[in-house]
Amino acid sequence: GAGVSQSPSNKVTEKGKDVELRCDPISGHTALYWYRQSLGQGLEFLIYFQGNSAPDKSGLPSDRFSAERTGGSVSTLTIQRTQQEDSAVYLCASSFRARGEKLFFGSGTQLSVL
Amino acid sequence: DQQVKQNSPSLSVQEGRISILNCDYTNSMFDYFLWYKKYPAEGPTFLISISSIKDKNEDGRFTVFLNKSAKHLSLHIVPSQPGDSAVYFCAAWSNSGYALNFGKGTSLLVTP
Repeated sequence: GAGVSQSPSNKVTEKGKDVELRCDPISGHTALYWYRQSLGQGLEFLIYFQGNSAPDKSGLPSDRFSAERTGGSVSTLTIQRTQQEDSAVYLCASSFRARGEKLFFGSGTQLSVL
Repeated sequence: DQQVKQNSPSLSVQEGRISILNCDYTNSMFDYFLWYKKYPAEGPTFLISISSIKDKNEDGRFTVFLNKSAKHLSLHIVPSQPGDSAVYFCAAWSNSGYALNFGKGTSLLVTP
């Protein structure tokens, strides 16, 4: 596609439920990132994928968060047993190389946990 | 800990004037800096970047200045236009690690 695509654009869930957020990066981009932006905060790094290498999970806030990237393309971020503090905009980004260049962001998924 | 700091949460400027957005960083391993612009309900979009080997980069109305000794960079927008009203994020790459580090953003309002 022309840009990074994320779905859904909005997700409202009840506390304790699991959610899955999807990201379809720009074709040919080998690096994929997940960030989140909580209200009034900056962009917080969550996880990074590069090709078929093991992901860098150093930013995941708890073991309730996990992500996978199938076939080096589409990625899914899963949050289990959601909590109210998980409410945020979850942003996916991709780039052609691993680091040192600009990231292209999707429009994000606004997650609201009631 | 916040390694990229944008200490002004908001800035208001009149149309036609200069907007100056500031950013400080603490990590001396940062070697490439970017500015992103974000409108509500959209993802951040790349605006301009600068390598640590330079002290200035210009692109149209946008100029980024880097002062390595002070660990400070600034974004100048001249002249400012109402369409520039957005949140601006400063970001930095380290020469090690794979996360692009972001500040908390500065909300710019350009008034007619």
